[in-house]
Amino acid sequence: GQNIDQPTEMTATEGAIVQINCTYQTSGFNGLFWYQQHAGEAPTFLSYNVLDGLEEKGRFSSFLSRSKGYSYLLLKELQMKDSASYLCAVRDNGGATNKLIFGTGTLLAVQP
Amino acid sequence: DSGVTQTPKHLITATGQRVTLRCSPRSGDLSVYWYQQSLDQGLQFLIQYYNGEERAKGNILERFSAQQFPDLHSELNLSSLELGDSALYFCASSPKYPGGSSEQYFGPGTRLTVT
Repeated sequence: GQNIDQPTEMTATEGAIVQINCTYQTSGFNGLFWYQQHAGEAPTFLSYNVLDGLEEKGRFSSFLSRSKGYSYLLLKELQMKDSASYLCAVRDNGGATNKLIFGTGTLLAVQP
Repeated sequence: DSGVTQTPKHLITATGQRVTLRCSPRSGDLSVYWYQQSLDQGLQFLIQYYNGEERAKGNILERFSAQQFPDLHSELNLSSLELGDSALYFCASSPKYPGGSSEQYFGPGTRLTVT
């Protein structure tokens, strides 16, 4: 079966660091993606992990442990504009389809 | 702007009706994906086309169908509409050879309201 779990909501303070966790159980695995989605808008790509370890991209980093079925997205130096939903997605079934299975998303509220 | 276009932006229709949603992928992308996003369910994969052929299917209802045309644009047809079909429908595209770090680029979505 397919199961991707993320916290429903999180709150953090401007300038701080926040970590959003994602655990997954899928029938196949060929990469994990993080997307950002503001309300009513399209998801936009943030990061991709396929091997274990940390990928860093400016204020955003993402970590993957395939043996634990676990990933996290780390956001540093939080800004008000980072208030959005963060979606964890697993690419299942290999590269032939590139199909993504999404978690329900974590709604992050950044407070002054 | 992702380069993926979707029309219409908003659609309001009655139960029992049929609608068609249209998507144009980014230039050069051969794969098109359709997703449904309801308030309580998050993004659900519906169907994928690659260069005109169906490649993968998710939990797409029998009342829904899609196709990809020779110019690579795609249409999602929803028929016998029910209140529960009200949702945001996103189209996404990805590069010629899926795999690697090739992410999917999402269009702005079509908001469907069934009354």
